[in-house]
Amino acid sequence: QVHLVESGGGVVQPGGSLRLSCAASGFTFSHYGMHWVRQAPGKGLEWVAFIQYDGSNEYYADSVKGRFTVSRDNSENTLYLQMNSLITADTAVYFCAKEAGTAIWDWGQGTLVTVSS
Amino acid sequence: QSALTQPASVSGSPGQSITISCTGTGSDVGLYNYVSWYQQYPGKAPNLVIYDVTKRPSGVSTRFSGSKSGGTASLTISGLQAEDEADYHCNSYAGNSAWVFGGGTKLTVL
Repeated sequence: QVHLVESGGGVVQPGGSLRLSCAASGFTFSHYGMHWVRQAPGKGLEWVAFIQYDGSNEYYADSVKGRFTVSRDNSENTLYLQMNSLITADTAVYFCAKEAGTAIWDWGQGTLVTVSS
Repeated sequence: QSALTQPASVSGSPGQSITISCTGTGSDVGLYNYVSWYQQYPGKAPNLVIYDVTKRPSGVSTRFSGSKSGGTASLTISGLQAEDEADYHCNSYAGNSAWVFGGGTKLTVL
C-alpha cells in the first residue's frame, strides 16, 4: 500500500525559503518518477514539478522555474522540494504524488505553505 | 502551460447523469491520450477515478466514465449518488514531461 507523507510546511515571509520533504513507503521508490502538485486555498490543482525515478532529469512549471528545485534520495525513500524566493502566490497545500506511466496515481495528504509578512 | 478549462460547478439529482467538460489545446488534451480525472473531497487528497481518457483504476465505480473529442475531454457520472458530491479535476500531459490541470469543478448532488 502506497504511503506518502509530506512535511516541512509552515509560515514564511516573502522572499524566504522553505524545504519540503515527502517520505515514501509501500512501493519501490527508486522505480518511480515523483511529482509535486499544489493547491492554493479554494483553487484548483497546479502541477509544480516532476523528477525522474533516478533523479536524472527534473521538470518545472513556468511559475516556479528558477526558484524551486526538486530532488530525491532513493537510499532514504524521500522526495524534496526546495523553495526559494517565495511569493504570496506560492501559498498553497503542497502534495507529493507518485507517477504510474501516464498518470499521477497516488497522493500524500499535503503540507500547507503560507507566504505572508 | 495554460490551465485546462472546466466549468466551475455542475449539479444533478440522485439517479441522474452529469458530464463535466475539460477543454485544452492541440498541445495537450488534443495531442495526447493521457487525460486523467481526480475526485477530491474537502480537506482531502485527490483520488484518481479515470486515466488514459477512458480507463478506470481498480475499485472505482463503473458509474464513472471518460471520453475525449478533439481538444475536449469529458467525465460522465451516471446514476448520481450523494457520495459523488465533491470537486473534480482534470489533468493532461502537455509534452516535455510537463502536466497541466483544469481549474476544478464542484459537483452538487441536489
